[in-house]
Amino acid sequence: EAQVTQNPRYLITVTGKKLTVTCSQNMNHEYMSWYRQDPGLGLRQIYYSMNVEVTDKGDVPEGYKVSRKEKRNFPLILESPSPNQTSLYFCASSLTFPPGSGISSGNTIYFGEGSWLTVV
Amino acid sequence: QKEVEQDPGPLSVPEGAIVSLNCTYSNSAFQYFMWYRQYSRKGPELLMYTYSSGNKEDGRFTAQVDKSSKYISLFIRDSQPSDSATYLCAMSALRNSGGSNYKLTFGKGTLLTVNP
Repeated sequence: EAQVTQNPRYLITVTGKKLTVTCSQNMNHEYMSWYRQDPGLGLRQIYYSMNVEVTDKGDVPEGYKVSRKEKRNFPLILESPSPNQTSLYFCASSLTFPPGSGISSGNTIYFGEGSWLTVV
Repeated sequence: QKEVEQDPGPLSVPEGAIVSLNCTYSNSAFQYFMWYRQYSRKGPELLMYTYSSGNKEDGRFTAQVDKSSKYISLFIRDSQPSDSATYLCAMSALRNSGGSNYKLTFGKGTLLTVNP
């Protein structure tokens, strides 16, 4: 079964305590990305990766780091979390990019179930 | 003006109604247009996609794109309680001309409730 798996699903942490949200996909996808979803602001991209060792900033990268050492994994790192990083986070992957092209052959974006992060 | 505008609702309709969901956009470089459905506490899932002006039908769902007006719509016929979800429009365009790096921009989503 095609899956994007995120962990943890729910986390309450304190300001300044480093944390990592893991993301793994089992579809051999090249493209992976992280989004955060906030009420009234919608889904905003944090970072994306076109392939192993290739990462780039999205729209809201401040306060986050990522790495892509293996094709299947794309962890999101919060070095020093702050309350304004309280949000719902989604990892996503697709075979290639752009999303939508070749979609009849299955090149769609798959999202994980989400990780609810609260920073107090 | 935001790149993608979507009325957040909420929208509440009786079962069997025809639902119309809409987004407007300002960036004429958008090439691909998608609708995602997101159930509560779940990740978004792709519902429909199109890249040209006109209508595309899939069962009870019809996606409509009007590039001249920069307007896209999703119609749901014979709506069911199981259609209750947040619907997100999304559009993609090249980040830089001449490359192959696309950026996906989402609307804020419309919360739909279909009452039995």
